[in-house]
Amino acid sequence: KAGVTQTPRYLIKTRGQQVTLSCSPISGHRSVSWYQQTPGQGLQFLFEYFSETQRNKGNFPGRFSGRQFSNSRSEMNVSTLELGDSALYLCASQWDSTYEQYFGPGTRLTVT
Amino acid sequence: AQSVAQPEDQVNVAEGNPLTVKCTYSVSGNPYLFWYVQYPNRGLQFLLKYITGDNLVKGSYGFEAEFNKSQTSFHLKKPSALVSDSALYFCAVRDFNTNAGKSTFGDGTTLTVKP
Repeated sequence: KAGVTQTPRYLIKTRGQQVTLSCSPISGHRSVSWYQQTPGQGLQFLFEYFSETQRNKGNFPGRFSGRQFSNSRSEMNVSTLELGDSALYLCASQWDSTYEQYFGPGTRLTVT
Repeated sequence: AQSVAQPEDQVNVAEGNPLTVKCTYSVSGNPYLFWYVQYPNRGLQFLLKYITGDNLVKGSYGFEAEFNKSQTSFHLKKPSALVSDSALYFCAVRDFNTNAGKSTFGDGTTLTVKP
């Protein structure tokens, strides 16, 4: 079975721009979560989607948003990029009944 | 609020020796506990979990962890370390009684196994 895929793998943007990241979960997984990983802050939870609905949200500003489609694929969007948004963005999917998460390789976003 | 603490940023062990990576947690309800490993330039990989049942859980690559409710700990262990175990390890907790779906991760512990 294919794992979680994320596109693009690397991205360079300038301050003020916006960006959209994509995540395709493992087939059959309906829950998708997004995390931001930085050396200073570790892994921070952004949000979780289940069956196209946001089920949980972390403490990030409204510039960070997401959505989930009927096929469980998910996107996250960051508007008005700031230098501090440079990070590895990880997507994870799971069966809702088993609780462990399966992570994609991440998208490395660099904001200049 | 739920939280996880990994008190050691770095753990160094010699190959063949036992290893322990420490984790303590805080949740208001029942904890669901996880260990993940991250190799350089890769996403996290699930190692093992505690949901309910036996306090000693076994996972991938010979790793195991012991759930201790009184000490609110979930330490990761392996009887004999391999050089290939060198990686970044994360402990995570989920409290399904109050915060379904949200995982809180520790800051990670870098394990270095020397030949």
